[in-house]
Amino acid sequence: KNQVEQSPQSLIILEGKNCTLQCNYTVSPFSNLRWYKQDTGRGPVSLTIMTFSENTKSNGRYTATLDADTKQSSLHITASQLSDSASYICVVSDGTASKLTFGTGTRLQVTL
Amino acid sequence: DSGVTQTPKHLITATGQRVTLRCSPRSGDLSVYWYQQSLDQGLQFLIQYYNGEERAKGNILERFSAQQFPDLHSELNLSSLELGDSALYFCASSEGQGYYGYTFGSGTRLTVV
Repeated sequence: KNQVEQSPQSLIILEGKNCTLQCNYTVSPFSNLRWYKQDTGRGPVSLTIMTFSENTKSNGRYTATLDADTKQSSLHITASQLSDSASYICVVSDGTASKLTFGTGTRLQVTL
Repeated sequence: DSGVTQTPKHLITATGQRVTLRCSPRSGDLSVYWYQQSLDQGLQFLIQYYNGEERAKGNILERFSAQQFPDLHSELNLSSLELGDSALYFCASSEGQGYYGYTFGSGTRLTVV
């Protein structure tokens, strides 16, 4: 069964600090891995999409890594801001719309 | 504003009733996807339409149905509503089959009482 597991479930950090969120997946076949940011009560917003051949992709202060051999991905947030408070969702695709596998997300809270 | 418009934003209705959720995709996008997100759960894929035709179906209940119209907007119909149908319903759109990702709308929060 395809699964995406994210850790930690929740995280509280001080503004300005860095953090790393983890995603482990067992999805086959693998097409791409996506990280989304979802503010409370809002729709997910895409941060990065990585295919099998990519191992790092950045979007501003967000840097995602992918190790397709170990089936692990991480999302690193640099110099966190209060506006980074949200859920971060890891999604793995096998290339078909009906078979996207969503993680349940890591809820990040950035405090003063 | 993502360009994907969902209406209404909030909906409160009683058990047994029927509701219709509406989605207008981003300009130029042919695919529309519907997702359900229950409290503290991951997004669950319901159904995909591409240029008016059903393309993929997920764990959509028989009480639920959807369609995509010639102007590419889509509607999700939920009938015989139960308390457990209370959730956020998201629509997403993509230009093609979504290989490079989707654009999500802000969702419709449905509360069944």
